[in-house]
Amino acid sequence: EVRLVESGGGLVQPGGSLRLSCAASGFTFSNYEMNWVRQAPGKGLEWISNVSSSGLTTHYAESVKGRFTITRDTDKNSLYLQLSSLRAEDTAVYYCATGGYCLSGSCYNIGYFRHWGQGTLVTVSS
Amino acid sequence: DIQMTQSPSTLSASVGDKVTLTCRASQTIRSWMAWYQQKPGKAPHLLIYKASSLESGVPPRFSGSGFGSEFTLTITSLQPVDFATYYCQQYDSYPWTFGQGTKVEIK
Repeated sequence: EVRLVESGGGLVQPGGSLRLSCAASGFTFSNYEMNWVRQAPGKGLEWISNVSSSGLTTHYAESVKGRFTITRDTDKNSLYLQLSSLRAEDTAVYYCATGGYCLSGSCYNIGYFRHWGQGTLVTVSS
Repeated sequence: DIQMTQSPSTLSASVGDKVTLTCRASQTIRSWMAWYQQKPGKAPHLLIYKASSLESGVPPRFSGSGFGSEFTLTITSLQPVDFATYYCQQYDSYPWTFGQGTKVEIK
């Protein structure tokens, strides 16, 4: 069974930093692209970043580019999101989600999110 | 960025009804469309990918259609567990974007 468990959320002051983690199990983590999607309270979903299965390629939404950094550790089967220069509008539940997977040079199911964690709440407030 | 517009924002329906939700993209996204269901306090759940492919384990009363810039999600014979918010998402080009959601509520 695929399991994604986020952690690291909490209350942080504007301008502060936080590191979110996502522990993955039940699948071959190293084959999968991974994503972060967030949802502000009472609002819709916003994709913010992803990292390729190799960890070499990343993409970001403009709203977080230059402030957030996505990384992964295959040995620990973990995904991370470093949040910096936080603003009130970054307050949201942050979900990690699986993306496409690559096998023998071919990639499949790119772009949508099959498995999701339960989310971790980040609150940016003074 | 590709803008995704869902309509209606809220839909009131009864158990057993057939409902159709619409999502329009600001430019063509070919068939690179996914639909998700989300219940309060829970993570989204994938229903449909590539516009019309039903995710494994999703009941066949859900179906998706469309190509280019206009897409629909249809639920035939609405069940009590289907009252939720539904989101469309394009993955034709970065940044991947979601619609604002359609809430399906009990009439």
